[in-house]
Amino acid sequence: SQQGEEDPQALSIQEGENATMNCSYKTSINNLQWYRQNSGRGLVHLILIRSNEREKHSGRLRVTLDTSKKSSSLLITASRAADTASYFCATAGTSYGKLTFGQGTILTVHP
Amino acid sequence: GAVVSQHPSRVICKSGTSVKIECRSLDFQATTMFWYRQFPKQSLMLMATSNEGSKATYEQGVEKDKFLINHASLTLSTLTVTSAHPEDSSFYICSAEAGTSEATNEKLFFGSGTQLSVL
Repeated sequence: SQQGEEDPQALSIQEGENATMNCSYKTSINNLQWYRQNSGRGLVHLILIRSNEREKHSGRLRVTLDTSKKSSSLLITASRAADTASYFCATAGTSYGKLTFGQGTILTVHP
Repeated sequence: GAVVSQHPSRVICKSGTSVKIECRSLDFQATTMFWYRQFPKQSLMLMATSNEGSKATYEQGVEKDKFLINHASLTLSTLTVTSAHPEDSSFYICSAEAGTSEATNEKLFFGSGTQLSVL
């Protein structure tokens, strides 16, 4: 069953602004991952954060994880029009490779 | 990085026909592959876990006789949608797991997906 809840469902911003997406989950996890999906395409892995980590950076991406609140956030700084896509969080428990995806956030960055 | 090839990318078929979707790991051996389904503007739902040389493990609510999964080699898993109906129209995505370390989640690679349209 889907356990990830993401908000907002849709986010529309101007190029150069920061975009923040949030994800909440219900059960304990081994790690949490963020993926990007362009319309009608496959998934691109963005970043993974383990349950014992609180923050992780990768380029313009910053991910935080709060296991006490069972929530994570993805921050994209200095957004570009090319960042327009759907973003999903996915959690993994003890069964490696089996991911439970959130509902996703549709990000639109206007040039 | 590792590549997972999924074919076909798009298929249109008549109701009642069967459709086979292939998922190949091109430069690594994948003992485990996963099949997901995605409806328009919705999230991905895990359908089944495919293990090389053994029967697939299906998630609750997924009909194993409807969605036949074969993982005959370490580089190929196939999903066959049997007697397809319009309600089976969806985006199907596979993923393959590389490596056997505890960090295998970090070695999960996705195919580009197959858009199935059943008329």
